[in-house]
Amino acid sequence: QSVLTQPPSASGTPGQRVTISCSGSSSNIGSNNVYWYQQLPGTAPKLLIYRNDERPSGVPDRFSGSKSGTSASLAISGLRSEDEADYYCAAWDDSLSGRVFGGGTKLTVL
Amino acid sequence: QVQLVQSGAEVKKPGASVKVSCKASGSSFNNYDINWVRQATGQGLEWMGWVSPNSDHTGYAQKFQGRVTMTRDTSVNTAYMELSSLRSEDTAVYYCATSVDVLTGHDSWGQGTLVTVSS
Repeated sequence: QSVLTQPPSASGTPGQRVTISCSGSSSNIGSNNVYWYQQLPGTAPKLLIYRNDERPSGVPDRFSGSKSGTSASLAISGLRSEDEADYYCAAWDDSLSGRVFGGGTKLTVL
Repeated sequence: QVQLVQSGAEVKKPGASVKVSCKASGSSFNNYDINWVRQATGQGLEWMGWVSPNSDHTGYAQKFQGRVTMTRDTSVNTAYMELSSLRSEDTAVYYCATSVDVLTGHDSWGQGTLVTVSS
């Protein structure tokens, strides 16, 4: 069982806006930055969001992150078929002195 | 940006050890910590630990403490992860990744190394 909790699946149609949640605690999300990764089948994860809501250059502005208290969210607007992938949140956990990941959310574009 | 190339797939017997390498090319390898993350087939990402640029600091997930050693050789721009006392549950793809560059927001990942533990 993962320290950070994500819904196992999400879906949307092309053009829609989809949100993926990530729930943690005061020792991780509540006191540290949140990161979001996209993983396409058979490939290494790709960083989408760092420091809660910042996008690395090259990541489309359709992807946005937010954090409130001990929860975080990834929003994808203007959904495209190529967004179909697994998405993971991550944060440092002060109690565990280590990085923790969510269990991942499989996004399906219908 | 740093490019990371990992060593090839390994097949090990239970109880053995495996050492995975992660060679960097490009600039600034020594500016970043290296993290190791693994992923069993069909499962999520699991953080294993990190090693500082000069190997003077490491941090391991509690689950792996006593079984994992992470090192770096700056002379050849390579990081290593050695996992001992292998069991079948250690069968997974192992990734190395740089820490996130606070200025650019980028990180780099290796292509992954499949380690299969089977008798």
